[in-house]
Amino acid sequence: GAGVSQSPSNKVTEKGKDVELRCDPISGHTALYWYRQRLGQGLEFLIYFQGNSAPDKSGLPSDRFSAERTGESVSTLTIQRTQQEDSAVYLCASSLGDSGYTFGSGTRLTVV
Amino acid sequence: KNEVEQSPQNLTAQEGEFITINCSYSVGISALHWLQQHPGGGIVSLFMLSSGKKKHGRLIATINIQEKHSSLHITASHPRDSAVYICAVNKNKLIFGTGTLLAVQP
Repeated sequence: GAGVSQSPSNKVTEKGKDVELRCDPISGHTALYWYRQRLGQGLEFLIYFQGNSAPDKSGLPSDRFSAERTGESVSTLTIQRTQQEDSAVYLCASSLGDSGYTFGSGTRLTVV
Repeated sequence: KNEVEQSPQNLTAQEGEFITINCSYSVGISALHWLQQHPGGGIVSLFMLSSGKKKHGRLIATINIQEKHSSLHITASHPRDSAVYICAVNKNKLIFGTGTLLAVQP
């Protein structure tokens, strides 16, 4: 597609439920990133996929967080047993090699 | 100490003023990015630099690789420039600065 598409744009969930966030990167972009931004705070790296290489999961805050990407297409970020501190905007970005990044508009997750 | 430091954290300017935002980093990088985030959260990539200087409209970005320093300049600032400006360095993944909140008053 023309840009990075994320869905849903907003998600309200009850504490303890699982959520799945989706990112459609720009077609042909080999690299895909997930970031998180809590209210009033900076961007926080979560996970990075590059082609068929093993993903860099060093930013995932706990084992409740996982992400998958099939080939160079869609990625899903799953948060199990959500907690209130998981409330944030989850941003996805894609790039082709070391070229400029394109960010999606994010998924605003609210855990109540 | 953060690997990417920005200054100032907050900046208020009058319309028309020349604005400079600075970024220093402490790691080896392949590229540096300047991003703009408007209220509501959308992020736009302004520049990607690996050396020298780039210009786009009223925006100018420079980088000094030896000194590990970059600056973002805005000439003839306008209220619509009000946003958070984020410096990020590319070390396999993006490492972000904490951002500079710019408010340009009419």
